Amino acid sequence: DGGITQSPKYLFRKEGQNVTLSCEQNLNHDAMYWYRQDPGQGLRLIYYSQIVNDFQKGDIAEGYSVSREKKESFPLTVTSAQKNPTAFYLCASRGEGFTAPQHFGDGTRLSIL
Amino acid sequence: QKEVEQNSGPLSVPEGAIASLNCTYSDRGSQSFFWYRQYSGKSPELIMSIYSNGDKEDGRFTAQLNKASQYVSLLIRDSQPSDSATYLCAVNDNQGGKLIFGQGTELSVKP
Repeated sequence: DGGITQSPKYLFRKEGQNVTLSCEQNLNHDAMYWYRQDPGQGLRLIYYSQIVNDFQKGDIAEGYSVSREKKESFPLTVTSAQKNPTAFYLCASRGEGFTAPQHFGDGTRLSIL
Repeated sequence: QKEVEQNSGPLSVPEGAIASLNCTYSDRGSQSFFWYRQYSGKSPELIMSIYSNGDKEDGRFTAQLNKASQYVSLLIRDSQPSDSATYLCAVNDNQGGKLIFGQGTELSVKP
């Protein structure tokens, strides 16, 4: 089935540790996005990529890093510089054209140990 | 700063009633508008897209767009308890294919 797969579903981070969240899609979409959602809040854009080997910062990129080496993969690293990482992280991809909707994976819930 | 505003709710309606969810946006150049449904603890699910002024119907859902007033709404007819969720309004940013999301409106449908 075509879709977006995020892993793991739950992740725990220790102080000073970097963790990487996986996002894979088999929809052949060029554009991919990472969002953060805090309880009772909307979605805030962390990073996005419109094409392989290129990505741009979103509204809250500090403390995060990404790579886009393959079309189907867009991993997000939450670094130790992100002091408040506890949140629900959502990966999305968009079909062809700027006006196409985005579709989401099931999300990764990150907590601090 | 481009913004999308929604009433945070919660909006409570009895089963069988019409639920009306509203959204305003600041960027006059926006061309595409979306409604997502998000159940508690789950990821957002696209339920409606609308691109031109007027109404678009899909089953019990109707999206309404008024670009002159910068207003988009979602009507849910014959509301069911299974419609209880948070509804997110999203508007495209003319640059880069990004979406700008509202804070979401929590809907509760009481049996």
